[in-house]
Amino acid sequence: GAGVSQSPSNKVTEKGKDVELRCDPISGHTALYWYRQSLGQGLEFLIYFQGNSAPDKSGLPSDRFSAERTGGSVSTLTIQRTQQEDSAVYLCASSLVPLVSSTDTQYFGPGTRLTVL
Amino acid sequence: GEDVEQSLFLSVREGDSSVINCTYTDSSSTYLYWYKQEPGAGLQLLTYIFSNMDMKQDQRLTVLLNKKDKHLSLRIADTQTGDSAIYFCAESINLNGATNKLIFGTGTLLAVQP
Repeated sequence: GAGVSQSPSNKVTEKGKDVELRCDPISGHTALYWYRQSLGQGLEFLIYFQGNSAPDKSGLPSDRFSAERTGGSVSTLTIQRTQQEDSAVYLCASSLVPLVSSTDTQYFGPGTRLTVL
Repeated sequence: GEDVEQSLFLSVREGDSSVINCTYTDSSSTYLYWYKQEPGAGLQLLTYIFSNMDMKQDQRLTVLLNKKDKHLSLRIADTQTGDSAIYFCAESINLNGATNKLIFGTGTLLAVQP
């Protein structure tokens, strides 16, 4: 079936504006993850969802970042009052089941490139 | 702490073997992964190895794991120009017993010269 999709693929915004990034996981995948890839920081884990709940939000860089997932499917990552340091590629991944004993293989989307001017 | 390190760049000639190295810090990692990222594309899972294995071979790819030294390597045999990409190693860290998160290395840019 289709892989993980993300929209928009590119987003340019002005400092101080809010942005919403969307992720459509693979159908049937219960776990969803957000990562950020930025120059000098590599890939960093932001948040994960099991169903619609996010048990661990400690990876979010600041309180300007929030995420939600509805219907156990689509997720949105919202960044309020964007700053230039928020410029990065935001990657979403999903996995079938988040069981510790499984390979917990995560399949990644193509990412959203966010540029804050 | 959680830290995964890789060398930043590797250049090889087409047809040679490439070896990309990675060191990690969390000895409790159950799985270790290699991902490939081509220009403008997302991360593609190449292979993974369970922590109780020393070696895994998958066609042109060989993964070696030295758990004592926390060292992981990816060998690509007969490297082709299409293998040019950034390669990330990642360790799997358990999150509160529920799921795992991936801690990625900085990535190694593999440049294959024709």
